[in-house]
Amino acid sequence: DAKTTQPNSMESNEEEPVHLPCNHSTISGTDYIHWYRQLPSQGPEYVIHGLTSNVNNRMASLAIAEDRKSSTLILHRATLRDAAVYYCILRFQGAQKLVFGQGTRLTINP
Amino acid sequence: GAVVSQHPSRVICKSGTSVKIECRSLDFQATTMFWYRQFPKQSLMLMATSNEGSKATYEQGVEKDKFLINHASLTLSTLTVTSAHPEDSSFYICSARGRALGETDTQYFGPGTRLTVL
Repeated sequence: DAKTTQPNSMESNEEEPVHLPCNHSTISGTDYIHWYRQLPSQGPEYVIHGLTSNVNNRMASLAIAEDRKSSTLILHRATLRDAAVYYCILRFQGAQKLVFGQGTRLTINP
Repeated sequence: GAVVSQHPSRVICKSGTSVKIECRSLDFQATTMFWYRQFPKQSLMLMATSNEGSKATYEQGVEKDKFLINHASLTLSTLTVTSAHPEDSSFYICSARGRALGETDTQYFGPGTRLTVL
């Protein structure tokens, strides 16, 4: 599985945008970029995924670099409920499993 | 999104006993189910992958005789921790993958089961 690199932790303020970076310089052409988040004492929650184009949904936006070697998860207006560990994961098309790295622990200040 | 449930949410047992954890996909058929384990302040570690009606595929280092996985139907998988010991105490999380109505092939996670072995 191609490796991703994320900062261990980030901090932001409530109602401000948050940009969570992820580096994946060894990504292959068929690797999808998935983002999940895990709130304390809960299972991970799907956030968003994409291949080449930027993606938007009700939770977040995913901006993918043109060379696909990095991506950024954007929370447009953070709330306290967004405090979680965010995982950036690569999965190639057809693969079954998701392999989790260490993720980024996001703290939201009131 | 689709819903995956786990039961029980929390279990405490004595050393040497066996514990069964259930994972159900409530509103979709899960072609594949996964079991993860997570120790405090660590990331999720994949234990095994199971397809309905087939034997589970275990990750390297996971004892298949200790962690018995049964995926008898498209909506139910069970993990049995046999002869549990204190070092098996952990947060066990299941995940299911399938084509929920109108959605892409996404993996959905259960809420987790916290196992404490005394």
